[in-house]
Amino acid sequence: EVQLVESGGGLVQPGGSLRLSCTASGFTFSDYWMHWVRQAPGKGLVWVSRIKSDGSGTTYADSVKGRFTISRDNVKNTLYLQMNSLRAEDTAVYYCGRAAGWELPDYWGQGTLITVSS
Amino acid sequence: QSVLTQPPSASGTPGQRVTISCSGSSSNIGSNYVYWYQQLPGTAPKFLIYRNNQRPSGVPDRFSGSKSGTSMSLAISGLRSEDEADYYCAVWDDILTGPVFGGGTRLTVL
Repeated sequence: EVQLVESGGGLVQPGGSLRLSCTASGFTFSDYWMHWVRQAPGKGLVWVSRIKSDGSGTTYADSVKGRFTISRDNVKNTLYLQMNSLRAEDTAVYYCGRAAGWELPDYWGQGTLITVSS
Repeated sequence: QSVLTQPPSASGTPGQRVTISCSGSSSNIGSNYVYWYQQLPGTAPKFLIYRNNQRPSGVPDRFSGSKSGTSMSLAISGLRSEDEADYYCAVWDDILTGPVFGGGTRLTVL
């Protein structure tokens, strides 16, 4: 069974940093591209970032470019999102998702909530 | 404001057929496969339709997708109470070099 479990969420002050993790199981992690998507409270889904299966290529939404870094460890089957210079507008539930190459994600984790507030 | 435009709400009665539309542009819907996700309250999105009109295993054939030009549609036939959810269209955008989502349509089963 495919499982994606996010962790690392919580309350952080504006300007602070946080690292999210997404631990995968039930499939060959290194075969899949991985994505982060977020959903602000009461709002829709917004794509954040993606990384290729071998970590060789990354892409970011303009809203997080230069502040967030996506990475992965194919030995630990874990995806990461390092978030720096956090802003109130980054408050959201963050979901990780797996995708077969250029396809969009077919499985998502349960999400982890990030609240940026003083 | 989303790159893809969906109606904010839709509704139908049990057994009815409803359609949810999603419009985009030549850089996204016009040139790439389209996808649909269902999100039940308080849960993660669920993969519903991929590659315009394909259903993952486990998704009932009551759900169908179509695409025409720069628009796409999700049709749900034989509406059931458990279909009450938010529905999102999604597609890769060649200009943004990443996926884009519609704003979501909240489906109410009356």
